[in-house]
Amino acid sequence: SYEVTQSLSVSVALGQPARITCGGDNIGGKNVHWYQQKAGQAPVLVIYRDYNRPSGIPERFSGSNSGNTATLTISTAQVGDEAGYFCQVWDSNTAVFGGGTKLTVL
Amino acid sequence: QVQLVESGGGLVKPGGSLRLSCAASGFTFSDYYVSWIRQAPGKGLEWLSYISRSGSSTYYADSVKGRFTISRDNAKNSLFLQMSSLSAEDTAVYYCARVDTAIEYFDSWGQGTLVTVSS
Repeated sequence: SYEVTQSLSVSVALGQPARITCGGDNIGGKNVHWYQQKAGQAPVLVIYRDYNRPSGIPERFSGSNSGNTATLTISTAQVGDEAGYFCQVWDSNTAVFGGGTKLTVL
Repeated sequence: QVQLVESGGGLVKPGGSLRLSCAASGFTFSDYYVSWIRQAPGKGLEWLSYISRSGSSTYYADSVKGRFTISRDNAKNSLFLQMSSLSAEDTAVYYCARVDTAIEYFDSWGQGTLVTVSS
């Protein structure tokens, strides 16, 4: 079965760019989706199909996907962006989530 | 405004059963696949199951296949998850989520319902 991997945690200074990666075998050939989950809340879709933002998601959120790595980028990290971030792909009629990355904004 | 509201969680003994419900509103429920996803305390997201628009097709993660059954009632805009042979490893918050029309991602989530399996 297909697996995707994420770093456990990423720290970034306030106002600096934050990059969260999602690795998988030729993941560039798949559509990758990203969810933000703040403490005690349900996940929220922030990027779909590699780089598309749902309505209401700030422009500072962007995504890319190539080769074996997909990346979620927050151009200028805010305190309110502190959260868990999960990538997800679809493979053989199953949804596969990465283990999640905890983003800390310093 | 899309809304998904889960219910039915609670404390259940190992080996027991539980039925979760998810009430949908704000969209045409029968036009969408819907899914169950769970999150154990302090852990990541685990996809469990999804069901087609009519309910004729269902898919399960290996971890729950044969123990959990997903179903829906389009007339009542409701999604269900029947869980049996529960163990401590099934302790989690259970979310229902709407699947996008291309069946690729989850565009709306409920707030979740907590299931605790303990003696």
